[in-house]
Amino acid sequence: DAGVIQSPRHEVTEMGQEVTLRCKPISGHNSLFWYRQTMMRGLELLIYFNNNVPIDDSGMPEDRFSAKMPNASFSTLKIQPSEPRDSAVYFCASSIGGSGTEKLFFGSGTQLSVL
Amino acid sequence: AQTVTQSQPEMSVQEAETVTLSCTYDTSENNYYLFWYKQPPSRQMILVIRQEAYKQQNATENRFSVNFQKAAKSFSLKISDSQLGDTAMYFCAFMRSNTGNQFYFGTGTSLTVIP
Repeated sequence: DAGVIQSPRHEVTEMGQEVTLRCKPISGHNSLFWYRQTMMRGLELLIYFNNNVPIDDSGMPEDRFSAKMPNASFSTLKIQPSEPRDSAVYFCASSIGGSGTEKLFFGSGTQLSVL
Repeated sequence: AQTVTQSQPEMSVQEAETVTLSCTYDTSENNYYLFWYKQPPSRQMILVIRQEAYKQQNATENRFSVNFQKAAKSFSLKISDSQLGDTAMYFCAFMRSNTGNQFYFGTGTSLTVIP
């Protein structure tokens, strides 16, 4: 199993530009999560999907952030326009809900730097 | 709301010694799961150990074990025979059962193993 796959691993962009982060969950997992990690705030849940449907997006900081999951094997997190304070590591994670063996599997993260 | 508290921002231990990382949580639920994740400098989030709240027996995984005190809402991680590769951030996490897998993370403890 390839695990959760995120791309790109690093992204450097200028303020005002659009940024798109991508995630491929583990095949067969029906829950997908986007987290943001910073030194100041630790790990923050931005949004999570269950069976491709957004369940809780209360962690999305602003309207500049949007996430989609068009099918079970792909999700995107988009920031438009990006700002320097968006600089962080963004993790995607997936799990199997309701299986009794719940575990969260993380991707390697995307290090985003907004200049 | 669920909260997870890790009161030790940083800890250190001599190689081959034992160290215990603390975690407390707050919930009104009776059924839930608890986890410890390790994040080494590579940034990858790795599941160390998992505990189901309905099980009284403490989980163990090789050199890693937990002390789960349900009444006290405490979930500490013990690392025996510490190795240099154990140097990492350690996150405690809580997940309510039957919620679509919503996870809550603590702020982390940075552990350094000293040679």
